[in-house]
Amino acid sequence: DTAVSQTPKYLVTQMGNDKSIKCEQNLGHDTMYWYKQDSKKFLKIMFSYNNKELIINETVPNRFSPKSPDKAHLNLHINSLELGDSAVYFCASSQTQGGPGELFFGEGSRLTVL
Amino acid sequence: SQQGEEDPQALSIQEGENATMNCSYKTSINNLQWYRQNSGRGLVHLILIRSNEREKHSGRLRVTLDTSKKSSSLLITASRAADTASYFCARRVIQGAQKLVFGQGTRLTINP
Repeated sequence: DTAVSQTPKYLVTQMGNDKSIKCEQNLGHDTMYWYKQDSKKFLKIMFSYNNKELIINETVPNRFSPKSPDKAHLNLHINSLELGDSAVYFCASSQTQGGPGELFFGEGSRLTVL
Repeated sequence: SQQGEEDPQALSIQEGENATMNCSYKTSINNLQWYRQNSGRGLVHLILIRSNEREKHSGRLRVTLDTSKKSSSLLITASRAADTASYFCARRVIQGAQKLVFGQGTRLTINP
């Protein structure tokens, strides 16, 4: 059983298109995250949700819209894709937002914008 | 910037040797965590050290934390080929909503 699963693993698309990445965790955690890892391996937080409520929004362009239908799911929709959006996007979860918070990561979704 | 630096960016050693990676940061932290990322995979949590702790061990891993110098180190003893991966330190910062801030990582290669 995969604890944090995200789909798809790979996306290749043209500039200007819209795409979504889905994430689900079966750990019973309250908090979920989206991180972006660029080509230099920097891992940067984008969003955090705690019990379906947006807690952190790290000045991400509003072309990126997270949605959390319930605390086990956090999806990421990206409009009008740009070349600079090419990266690996990681979903993660942790038990509580205020806790010591070791993160459990998914395997990543590699987005390539042509 | 809340991001610190990991040093070195890349490290290549022989199997059996010890590997030391360092992490520096700028803001106050609640705890500091180390993660490993195998190529093409997600990050996996290795060890967490709280701000009031100075040293922690887990198997072949030893982590130290010096809050006065705002730095931490990860030592892997008796390295193995399977330890080849990128290693990241992550700081749980105490500004506003708590969040885990990662850096660029250290790319460790263990040569057989």
